[in-house]
Amino acid sequence: AQSVTQLDSQVPVFEEAPVELRCNYSSSVSVYLFWYVQYPNQGLQLLLKYLSGSTLVESINGFEAEFNKSQTSFHLRKPSVHISDTAEYFCAVSRDFGNEKLTFGTGTRLTIIP
Amino acid sequence: NAGVTQTPKFRVLKTGQSMTLLCAQDMNHEYMYWYRQDPGMGLRLIHYSVGEGTTAKGEVPDGYNVSRLKKQNFLLGLESAAPSQTSVYFCASTKLGYEQYFGPGTRLTVT
Repeated sequence: AQSVTQLDSQVPVFEEAPVELRCNYSSSVSVYLFWYVQYPNQGLQLLLKYLSGSTLVESINGFEAEFNKSQTSFHLRKPSVHISDTAEYFCAVSRDFGNEKLTFGTGTRLTIIP
Repeated sequence: NAGVTQTPKFRVLKTGQSMTLLCAQDMNHEYMYWYRQDPGMGLRLIHYSVGEGTTAKGEVPDGYNVSRLKKQNFLLGLESAAPSQTSVYFCASTKLGYEQYFGPGTRLTVT
């Protein structure tokens, strides 16, 4: 069985400052890793995913995450945040891609301070 | 292309009442899922389906039933609602090789 730990439940950050949201996972088999974002009163949207290949993956809105197998981590980073990044961010892991169940972390609420 | 839709958006039930949540997707996805979201607990899988006519239990299935009579629809039923089932419910769908797509959610309150 796999599990996901998001160490920070809330992260306040000043606008234009960098941010890192931490995610660690545990699994006895190879996994696929995802970051989903949930804006207020909406469903979840995929932000980025790691399936294979380059360990650094990027999203279209400036976020990036790096898969670190030795540290079993998949931390999410952005060099300069905007007010529009205010949302809850969920890290998730899957043993199989597409048809297998996703295991979610408990989420990190990112609040941007003007 | 509406994606994943959920009906209703909000509902208030009294303890012991029953209801059905409807999830519909127009992307011809094989796999569909029901999750519940509670503060500080992330999303937890209730039931899922890997194809029309098939369902399976997830992490927290007790108190819920599901049916997948048509490929595009996945129904979640509460036979006798309890206050512990107060939550936000999300439906998702996917096809092999793609990420899960989520609906907008249903906020259920059981008093």
